[in-house]
Amino acid sequence: QVQLQESGPGLVKPSQTLSLTCVVSGGSISSGSYFWSWIRQPAGKGLEWLGRIYTSGNANYNPSLESRVTISLDTSKNQFSLKLSSVTAADTAVYYCARDSSSLPGWYFDYWGQGTLVTVSS
Amino acid sequence: DIQITQSPSSLSASVGDRVTITCRASQSISSFLNWYQQKPGKAPKLLIYGASSLQSGVPSRFSGSVSGTDFTLTITSLQPEDFATYYCQQSYSNTRTFGQGTKVEI
Repeated sequence: QVQLQESGPGLVKPSQTLSLTCVVSGGSISSGSYFWSWIRQPAGKGLEWLGRIYTSGNANYNPSLESRVTISLDTSKNQFSLKLSSVTAADTAVYYCARDSSSLPGWYFDYWGQGTLVTVSS
Repeated sequence: DIQITQSPSSLSASVGDRVTITCRASQSISSFLNWYQQKPGKAPKLLIYGASSLQSGVPSRFSGSVSGTDFTLTITSLQPEDFATYYCQQSYSNTRTFGQGTKVEI
């Protein structure tokens, strides 16, 4: 059974960089045809996809955040990470990591972390 | 980006009711549309993928259908554990997008 677990600071100061890690257990992050994604949800609001990284290390991002987002893969630790720079209060949200899997006829998020709340405040 | 318009934003229903939630895509996305259920304080759970394929372990009272760019999630005979927020999500584009969510309330 694949499991994902987010970790990182729960409080980040404005203008600083938010850094989170997602550890994957129950399977190798580098095997299979999967994307590894970050998704966030402000309190009481909907879901926003931030970006993803493929097992090859290729990444793509939400165009609305592309200038501030970086996702990286560490296969030796079976984890992937999110960095979001120049944060403001608008970046306060629960951040989820998720696996983007493929099975005809499409792709879908089949495994999710439990989510971690990040608050941006001085 | 592909826009997904989900409706209604909320609905009230009773146990045993038939419930339908709709998502409309701004362009053709074939069958690349998924449905998730989210309960308070929890991560979303995959219900339906590829517009109409039921995820393993999900009760058969959940079903999905598609007509053109209109996608429907149907819950037949609503159960107490089904009161939650439902989201659709397209996977046609490399930029994934979600619908705005539908809260199903008692």
